[in-house]
Amino acid sequence: AQKVTQAQTEISVVEKEDVTLDCVYETRDTTYYLFWYKQPPSGELVFLIRRNSFDEQNEISGRYSWNFQKSTSSFNFTITASQVVDSAVYFCALTPNTGKLIFGQGTTLQVKP
Amino acid sequence: NAGVTQTPKFRVLKTGQSMTLLCAQDMNHEYMYWYRQDPGMGLRLIHYSVGEGTTAKGEVPDGYNVSRLKKQNFLLGLESAAPSQTSVYFCASSYEVGTISYEQYFGPGTRLTVT
Repeated sequence: AQKVTQAQTEISVVEKEDVTLDCVYETRDTTYYLFWYKQPPSGELVFLIRRNSFDEQNEISGRYSWNFQKSTSSFNFTITASQVVDSAVYFCALTPNTGKLIFGQGTTLQVKP
Repeated sequence: NAGVTQTPKFRVLKTGQSMTLLCAQDMNHEYMYWYRQDPGMGLRLIHYSVGEGTTAKGEVPDGYNVSRLKKQNFLLGLESAAPSQTSVYFCASSYEVGTISYEQYFGPGTRLTVT
């Protein structure tokens, strides 16, 4: 079965706190891709990161970082020093084969001032 | 570049009416997709296309039809709308090379209400 689970439905933090969004995936394919998308209140979907199954290096981009662990089938996303503008719904997604994205249910992050 | 555009942005239909949603992309992408987004369920794939003239079913295809007559356009049709089709519809496109998947670019969405 191909599946993405984001167990945290909603998270609320105060500005400047660090927050980690969890993502666990299931696939039997050896080659796959993982993605994170952000959906701000305006509704559009914004691409954040893409990672292939052969690259387990963690990645940092400014205040954002991603931890990919094949051993636990997880691809977690951490925001350091959160800001109000980070308030959004965040989706983790899996492409087990060409093209088709399987999305998690999303985690709503609220950052309070 | 406009990226991915969707027409219309909002629509209200009565049960049994039909309509077509238009998606256009100017990035010369081969692959195009239609998703629906419902509260608490993420995005679910309705239909997709891997090239001009081809279409395939996704996870939730019932009640929808699609056509890809031109590479840049992907149409989603509802022949007889039902209240269960009330949702936000997103179109996306992507560049694929063999088995390498690249990120999908999404349109702004169409909010459809069926009464």
